[in-house]
Amino acid sequence: AQKVTQAQTEISVVEKEDVTLDCVYETRDTTYYLFWYKQPPSGELVFLIRRNSFDEQNEISGRYSWNFQKSTSSFNFIITASQVVDSAVYFCALSDPWLNSGGSNYKLTFGKGTLLTVNP
Amino acid sequence: NAGVTQTPKFRVLKTGQSMTLLCAQDMNHEYMYWYRQDPGMGLRLIHYSVGEGTTAKGEVPDGYNVSRLKKQNFLLGLESAAPSQTSVYFCASSLGRSLEAFFGQGTRLTVV
Repeated sequence: AQKVTQAQTEISVVEKEDVTLDCVYETRDTTYYLFWYKQPPSGELVFLIRRNSFDEQNEISGRYSWNFQKSTSSFNFIITASQVVDSAVYFCALSDPWLNSGGSNYKLTFGKGTLLTVNP
Repeated sequence: NAGVTQTPKFRVLKTGQSMTLLCAQDMNHEYMYWYRQDPGMGLRLIHYSVGEGTTAKGEVPDGYNVSRLKKQNFLLGLESAAPSQTSVYFCASSLGRSLEAFFGQGTRLTVV
């Protein structure tokens, strides 16, 4: 079973629209960490936000915000007033213990990504 | 500030050839990862390491081997390259399980 599911393959919006990128994760552990990364057309991977499993408080950082709900295993990323420069592939990632490691070894698993295109 | 450096950036191999991809980080990170990125597949974990001298298999380890003899280096080896290994390979490192990973710029490998 896929551990990190990003059901939206592609999203296309017009500049200034708000965008929500969905992420659903699967883990058996109570301690885990969630991340969002951005990959612009230039190809590098850029860290955006991090959240641990014990903190469900949703925050806003500039135009970015996130909605973390443990009850539904979702960690959605929201861009307010999108801009052309937001066009990129966005990846959700989960850090949780690897099986048979006794909880000591964590691995970082990514979803398949969502391609966001913001048109002027 | 070098961060994570991958060598080489591009490579073309013939089927059956071998090669080693080098990842070096200067941030004293414990965790290091190798991923491959293919269209529509996202980033898939090949192997990872939680410290010097330790390695573990990820989701798609077949056909690859790794070594972490020094804390700052994580090598990915292809013993006998196959066209299915054509991909963009990313190395990453992190200070710990709860902290963000820093990525190299990627290696574009083509196996013909």
